[in-house]
Amino acid sequence: DAKTTQPNSMESNEEEPVHLPCNHSTISGTDYIHWYRQLPSQGPEYVIHGLTSNVNNRMASLAIAEDRKSSTLILHRATLRDAAVYYCIRLAGSYQLTFGKGTKLSVIP
Amino acid sequence: DADVTQTPRNRITKTGKRIMLECSQTKGHDRMYWYRQDPGLGLRLIYYSFDVKDINKGEISDGYSVSRQAQAKFSLSLESAIPNQTALYFCATSDYGGGRNNEQFFGPGTRLTVL
Repeated sequence: DAKTTQPNSMESNEEEPVHLPCNHSTISGTDYIHWYRQLPSQGPEYVIHGLTSNVNNRMASLAIAEDRKSSTLILHRATLRDAAVYYCIRLAGSYQLTFGKGTKLSVIP
Repeated sequence: DADVTQTPRNRITKTGKRIMLECSQTKGHDRMYWYRQDPGLGLRLIYYSFDVKDINKGEISDGYSVSRQAQAKFSLSLESAIPNQTALYFCATSDYGGGRNNEQFFGPGTRLTVL
C-alpha cells in the first residue's frame, strides 16, 4: 500500500511547465514526501523531497499543500528527457521507499 | 564510472536453478537495498542492509536470500528460481543522514527471466 494517489498518465508539450499531482490524505505529521522518477530502461533517480515547506532544486520544485494532504511536483520547462514515470512516495521511516505505480509523463515535441 | 553497478545486466535461467545477482557501489554508503519491479508496477523491497553485519527482510523476501560481503557489495540469491521471479531487479544504496531525507541511488537493473 503506497498510500499515495497519482494519475496514471499525463502529457505535456515540450518547454511548457508540468504540474504532477499527488494525494496523500492520510499522511502523518512526520512523514516526508519524496519524488523519484524512472526514465525508460533505467533505475529510479531521486528528484526532490520535502516535509512542510515548498522546495526547489535544480531539477524541479515541490509545492506541498498547507494541510499536507497533497503535493505537486513542478517541472518548469519540460524537455524530452523528462519523459519518465514519476513516483510520489510517502516516507514513513528513514529508509522504506514504497513505490506505487506512479504517473507516466509523456512530453510532446 | 557508475556509482552503483549490477551484474549481470540480463540473465535467462531455468526453473530450479540457483541464481546470484551482484551489486557493487563506490559511494561509500553503509545502506544497501534490493528491489524487484514487475511490468507496469512500482518497485518492491526484497531485503535491505544497514551495515555489513545487518540483514533485514523487506516486503517480499520469500524465495530470496542475501549476503553483505563487504560495505561495497550486496548479493541477492534465488535458491531455486521459479517463473514468477521473472522481473527487473534493482540494487540501491543510501547514506544515513540522521533523518527521513536520505536519497537512494539506484543501479541500472538486472533483467531476470526464469523459464
